[in-house]
Amino acid sequence: KAGVTQTPRYLIKTRGQQVTLSCSPISGHRSVSWYQQTPGQGLQFLFEYFSETQRNKGNFPGRFSGRQFSNSRSEMNVSTLELGDSALYLCASSYLTGGAETQYFGPGTRLLVL
Amino acid sequence: GESVGLHLPTLSVQEGDNSIINCAYSNSASDYFIWYKQESGKGPQFIIDIRSNMDKRQGQRVTVLLNKTVKHLSLQIAATQPGDSAVYFCAEKPPRAGGTSYGKLTFGQGTILTVHP
Repeated sequence: KAGVTQTPRYLIKTRGQQVTLSCSPISGHRSVSWYQQTPGQGLQFLFEYFSETQRNKGNFPGRFSGRQFSNSRSEMNVSTLELGDSALYLCASSYLTGGAETQYFGPGTRLLVL
Repeated sequence: GESVGLHLPTLSVQEGDNSIINCAYSNSASDYFIWYKQESGKGPQFIIDIRSNMDKRQGQRVTVLLNKTVKHLSLQIAATQPGDSAVYFCAEKPPRAGGTSYGKLTFGQGTILTVHP
């Protein structure tokens, strides 16, 4: 079974631009979570989607948004990019949501904001 | 306040030694815990998990121990190999009550494991 895939793998943007990142979960998984990883803050939860509904959201500004499609694929969008948004953005999928569900991570999208 | 940067604990071992990586978790109500391994340029890779109704769980060359009294997790790697060199993260998941746990894993800062041949 193929793992979680994320596109693009690398991205360079300038301040003020917006960016859309894509995630395809493991086949059959319906929950997709997004995380931001930086050297300063570590791994931080952004949001989680299940059956096209956002179920949970972390402490990030409204510039960070996401959505999930009927095939469980998910996208996240960051508008009005800031230098501090440079990070590795990780997507994780699991079969269900809530409870003891293992999340499996993709390779991430490394975003550099100049 | 905000941290300037995370200073990750490091563990350096010789090939063939056993390694023990420790983690203190924050939420006494968390009922599920996972260890991940992250190699440079890759996403976190699942190693082993444990539910709060267990104290110990074993996998292939790895054992996770859970001490709920002191909110402590440890990962033991037997016969450590150079390929085990990576950053290791523990993650906790709070219970489902109130819906606040959906999808959210809270990660520790990580430990850098270096295995010398």
